[in-house]
Amino acid sequence: DIVMTQSPDSLAVSLGERATINCKSSQSVLHSSNNKNYLAWFQQKPGQPPKLLIHRASTRESGVPDRFSGSGSGTDFTLTISRLQAEDVAVYYCQQYYSTLYSFGQGTKLEIK
Amino acid sequence: EAQLVESGGGLVKPGGSLRLSCAASGFIFSNVWMSWVRQAPGKGLEWVGRIKSTTDGGTTDYAAPVKGRFTISRDDSKNRLYLEMSSLKTEDTAVYYCTTGLQYWGQGTLVTVSS
Repeated sequence: DIVMTQSPDSLAVSLGERATINCKSSQSVLHSSNNKNYLAWFQQKPGQPPKLLIHRASTRESGVPDRFSGSGSGTDFTLTISRLQAEDVAVYYCQQYYSTLYSFGQGTKLEIK
Repeated sequence: EAQLVESGGGLVKPGGSLRLSCAASGFIFSNVWMSWVRQAPGKGLEWVGRIKSTTDGGTTDYAAPVKGRFTISRDDSKNRLYLEMSSLKTEDTAVYYCTTGLQYWGQGTLVTVSS
């Protein structure tokens, strides 16, 4: 099974500043057939289901603001929020969908400093 | 617009059973691999299992904590996804989400396992 580990567990960033969340997988999620990383990022606010932000490691979902970006390949990935806004306060999760059994990171709680 | 609506949650005693249902609309359900994801109170997301589309074989896969106790099925004629849960444990207490895996998620249904 692929274990996903996020860092940090929590993060406090000032409004307008950059927030960076890391995600590491215990094995590569890069599919050799198409050179795509099967890694997604979700945002979850209290009382709501998760919302897809990024899939295939760096493809922004339709309607997601361009201040959200994803990068990385293989086993190391990053979600960057370039200019933090108040509505970005949430818990963020990475998920791999490469293996037969999908798995999530433990989550990173993002707050305003 | 795609919509997923879960139902069937509630209070059940340890060792008991429960069936969750998810009604899908707004997309071609029969073509889509569907998953269940759960979230214990105050905790993170946990992938429960997945069923492939019928055309891809309709096979299922489960996370280790639920394998052998939970069964996922689908009825493409009714655009419905199911999660049959048996031998329930207190640690199965969670909000259960129906999802297409990435893009579409239901609002979830709460399952509480307690005596």
